[in-house]
Amino acid sequence: GQQVMQIPQYQHVQEGEDFTTYCNSSTTLSNIQWYKQRPGGHPVFLIQLVKSGEVKKQKRLTFQFGEAKKNSSLHITATQTTDVGTYFCAGPRLDSSYKLIFGSGTRLLVRP
Amino acid sequence: DAGVTQSPTHLIKTRGQHVTLRCSPISGHKSVSWYQQVLGQGPQFIFQYYEKEERGRGNFPDRFSARQFPNYSSELNVNALLLGDSALYLCASSLGNYNEQFFGPGTRLTVL
Repeated sequence: GQQVMQIPQYQHVQEGEDFTTYCNSSTTLSNIQWYKQRPGGHPVFLIQLVKSGEVKKQKRLTFQFGEAKKNSSLHITATQTTDVGTYFCAGPRLDSSYKLIFGSGTRLLVRP
Repeated sequence: DAGVTQSPTHLIKTRGQHVTLRCSPISGHKSVSWYQQVLGQGPQFIFQYYEKEERGRGNFPDRFSARQFPNYSSELNVNALLLGDSALYLCASSLGNYNEQFFGPGTRLTVL
């Protein structure tokens, strides 16, 4: 079945260092969404990418959607302690856009 | 404006019992989705409802059922609870089928 994988599973960085998480789908996605979940919290929507090769920026966060629409990445420049949390990518299943498949997530820890 | 609300916040049940979880979407949102999140994993899609009709179902047994009411609120029912049903149950609402998901705080279900 369709799978969405993320690497790495964990990343522990020093405050100020950069961070990148990668998302790979076994099949082509019509779009990809990114969410952040703080410890003990619920997922919060960050962004949606739709076009092949699309790049979007939100302050220190840069999101990319691959040319083949099967992979995506999230890059954080100069991490801060407020960036701590788990970052999930999610894409709709091919047989129905109503079913959102979440990746396994990357947990980011930031040392002050 | 109020966000997505869920009740109860925590619930403890024993094996074989049934449970009903409730969700109220953001005002104006007609789509409600349910997810199960086991510790350390990404949310797993259970159901999506749009305009009171089921539009998608994940790989969950028939013990799981849901419905959406005329005011767009929703209930998730789980019968014959198993230990493995222990998880955080998240409800998310959106304007339509393809839009960003706004998640509620979740219901933490523990099955003993």
